[in-house]
Amino acid sequence: AQKITQTQPGMFVQEKEAVTLDCTYDTSDPSYGLFWYKQPSSGEMIFLIYQGSYDQQNATEGRYSLNFQKARKSANLVISASQLGDSAMYFCAMREGSPLNAGNNRKLIWGLGTSLAVNP
Amino acid sequence: DGGITQSPKYLFRKEGQNVTLSCEQNLNHDAMYWYRQDPGQGLRLIYYSQIVNDFQKGDIAEGYSVSREKKESFPLTVTSAQKNPTAFYLCASSLAPTGAYTGELFFGEGSRLTVL
Repeated sequence: AQKITQTQPGMFVQEKEAVTLDCTYDTSDPSYGLFWYKQPSSGEMIFLIYQGSYDQQNATEGRYSLNFQKARKSANLVISASQLGDSAMYFCAMREGSPLNAGNNRKLIWGLGTSLAVNP
Repeated sequence: DGGITQSPKYLFRKEGQNVTLSCEQNLNHDAMYWYRQDPGQGLRLIYYSQIVNDFQKGDIAEGYSVSREKKESFPLTVTSAQKNPTAFYLCASSLAPTGAYTGELFFGEGSRLTVL
């Protein structure tokens, strides 16, 4: 079974509108972390936002916010006020276990990604 | 500027040849990683290294080799034993776990290898 599921292969959004990219995860470990990365056409993976399983509040970073619904095991990325430069692939990833255990950090589980196109 | 530099960006190889992909970082990170990315698939870990002179196999290490002689450098060799080497290769690094560490990875721009 997939541990990270991104159900939207492709998404379109109008410039300046908000968009939500879905990510659901599956783990029985009470300690885990969820990441979102952006991959533009240049190829580099860019870290966007992180949510720890014990974090009380949803993570926010500028125009990015994470809609973390623990009971539903979902960690959707919300991009507000979309810009043309937001057009890229977006990947959700999960680390199981504490981040303070170095061995856990190599075991990132990646989703297949969502391609976002921002229309002018 | 601190970051990760991968070279070459594009590489073509004939079957039966070994090739080495370079990865250099000036972030003073302890841990370094090599990932492979194929179309329509998530990233898969090839090798990782937590400290100098030590490295561990990831999920798809067969046909690959690495070295970590310096903290800044983590080259990946794609050997002729790798049956399907055409792919996009990403190098990454991360801090050692401390305090409020989250485990985020810092990536290079990747190397695209094509076997002719």
